[in-house]
Amino acid sequence: NAGVTQTPKFRVLKTGQSMTLLCAQDMNHEYMYWYRQDPGMGLRLIHYSVGEGTTAKGEVPDGYNVSRLKKQNFLLGLESAAPSQTSVYFCASSYVVGDIQYFGAGTRLSVL
Amino acid sequence: LAKTTQPISMDSYEGQEVNITCSHNNIATNDYITWYQQFPSQGPRFIIQGYKTKVTNEVASLFIPADRKSSTLSLPRVSLSDTAVYYCLVDLGSNYQLIWGAGTKLIIKP
Repeated sequence: NAGVTQTPKFRVLKTGQSMTLLCAQDMNHEYMYWYRQDPGMGLRLIHYSVGEGTTAKGEVPDGYNVSRLKKQNFLLGLESAAPSQTSVYFCASSYVVGDIQYFGAGTRLSVL
Repeated sequence: LAKTTQPISMDSYEGQEVNITCSHNNIATNDYITWYQQFPSQGPRFIIQGYKTKVTNEVASLFIPADRKSSTLSLPRVSLSDTAVYYCLVDLGSNYQLIWGAGTKLIIKP
């Protein structure tokens, strides 16, 4: 039972490049989340999904897009990366809102 | 607008009880409060969750006073391995809002 798996673990981009971060969960959870965590700061919600085919904006959605085509996968896209998007990105999932969230190991992204 | 406030850092010693308080406002009676633990280079990990009075599990206790303006995570008899960052999360279930604290860095000394 893998839980929540994020790929890749590390990535370096140049300003203006695009990329997609993949999150996969094998717990049949309805809810999935994407967070960013900057040094010395807490977690900030980027986007979330309440079920397959649905997405919603969180606290800091600008510059990111998401898709949830399959229940087990939640993709986070950066269309034109900016240095301000240098951060550690965490994906999480839960059965319902308010339930325990299970986190992946994170993706460390640097935008030069 | 709901907001949570935690101490930035705390120090303690092995074997002591540690209490970390999270202040929050504008939360409803049924809004859950959850605490997570995070080690360097790892994702946060669930510790305990509750929405009223007192909850206890095998690793911690959670105290919520009647006014619900704060909550306290209690770690009994800490060890060096409890050195980590601890986050409180308030779930405003009625609005699909997740309000995270900025985290408390707990350092346990021998």
